[in-house]
Amino acid sequence: DADVTQTPRNRITKTGKRIMLECSQTKGHDRMYWYRQDPGLGLRLIYYSFDVKDINKGEISDGYSVSRQAQAKFSLSLESAIPNQTALYFCATSDRNRDPYEQYFGPGTRLTVT
Amino acid sequence: AQSVAQPEDQVNVAEGNPLTVKCTYSVSGNPYLFWYVQYPNRGLQFLLKYITGDNLVKGSYGFEAEFNKSQTSFHLKKPSALVSDSALYFCAAHFQKLVFGTGTRLLVSP
Repeated sequence: DADVTQTPRNRITKTGKRIMLECSQTKGHDRMYWYRQDPGLGLRLIYYSFDVKDINKGEISDGYSVSRQAQAKFSLSLESAIPNQTALYFCATSDRNRDPYEQYFGPGTRLTVT
Repeated sequence: AQSVAQPEDQVNVAEGNPLTVKCTYSVSGNPYLFWYVQYPNRGLQFLLKYITGDNLVKGSYGFEAEFNKSQTSFHLKKPSALVSDSALYFCAAHFQKLVFGTGTRLLVSP
């Protein structure tokens, strides 16, 4: 969905480095999410935010942090990257007022930690 | 614990034949159920959802899904498969947050 953009699209980094993945949306949605996708495991929720002042941990938040800089921006940070954080990362959005359960996904960021 | 299961890692079907991708869920209460599709190098795209009402839900690209409460299933179906339907399909359920199955790869052969 072009209304949800993620940068970078691909990133290779080394163990111990700090890295930030960014997500921006022009859909005007209030809710934003970060997921990681691993083969055979589906998508797992890392963090979610229902508005700028609301940040919540998902099922696999250890080793990650997030910042909701504005309604349209939600960034994910790996403070000290490790190889098992190699995965495909997706940002998603939803609209509390229109349909809070239907999420719109960005194109993904493929992260490799060596 | 709330969970979604997709028992098949891969489904193979010939073009023109009907297809079914299976999904079962484990939850207390009445879940909201979804199907998403992921094409290569793309994010997930919404296909259809069941909230309430008619057990047969129609969605995008000719797909439909049948909600069966007694079997706790929400199988995805299409009467006639296309090669372009080949993709990774995810079933999901909303229990306070969206919980995804592990995905099923659909391969449609010409």
